Amino acid sequence: EVQLVESGGGLVQPGRSLRLSCAASGFTFADYGMHWVRQVPGKGLEWVSGISWNTDSIGYADSVRGRFTISRDNAKNSLYLQMNSLRAEDTALYYCAKDIWSGWFEGHFNYWGQGTLVTVSS
Amino acid sequence: QSALTQPASVSGSPGQSITISCTGTSSDVGSYNLVSWYQQHPGKVPKLMIYEGSKLPSGVSSRFSGFKSGNTASLTISGLQGEDEADYYCCSYAGSSTWVFGGGTKLTVL
Repeated sequence: EVQLVESGGGLVQPGRSLRLSCAASGFTFADYGMHWVRQVPGKGLEWVSGISWNTDSIGYADSVRGRFTISRDNAKNSLYLQMNSLRAEDTALYYCAKDIWSGWFEGHFNYWGQGTLVTVSS
Repeated sequence: QSALTQPASVSGSPGQSITISCTGTSSDVGSYNLVSWYQQHPGKVPKLMIYEGSKLPSGVSSRFSGFKSGNTASLTISGLQGEDEADYYCCSYAGSSTWVFGGGTKLTVL
């Protein structure tokens, strides 16, 4: 059974940093592209960042480029999101999501974690 | 990276068909056959309903179908059922390893 479990969220002051983690199990993590998608409670989905299975391709939304860094450790079956210079508008539930096809980076998210809540406030 | 445009809400009666549109640009929807659709019930995690514009993941009802023409993708739900009431989001590849979601559409089953 595929499982994605996010952690690392919490309350942080504006300008500070936070690192999110996503622990994956139930599939060959090293073969799949992975993404972070966020959602302000009661609002829509926003794609944040993605990383291909082999890290050759990495992308960021304009709203986070230069402040967030995505990475993965295939040996630990883990995905990360380093978030720096956090702003109030980064407050959201952050989901880790898996690409549908191994060896591709198409951004079709067939499994999602339950999310970790990040609140940026003084 | 501007959000794709979806109607804020649509509604239909049980048994009817509804279509949700998702309008992008020649830089995203119009350039790639990489549109996906997600269903999200309140308090739940999004569920993949359509990928690559028109393909159904395993386990998704054939009442759901997807289509793309030019810069606009569409999701059609036929034989509307109460359990279809949810929020629906489209998502498209936008080039340079980036993706963009639509603003979401609330489907109400009357």
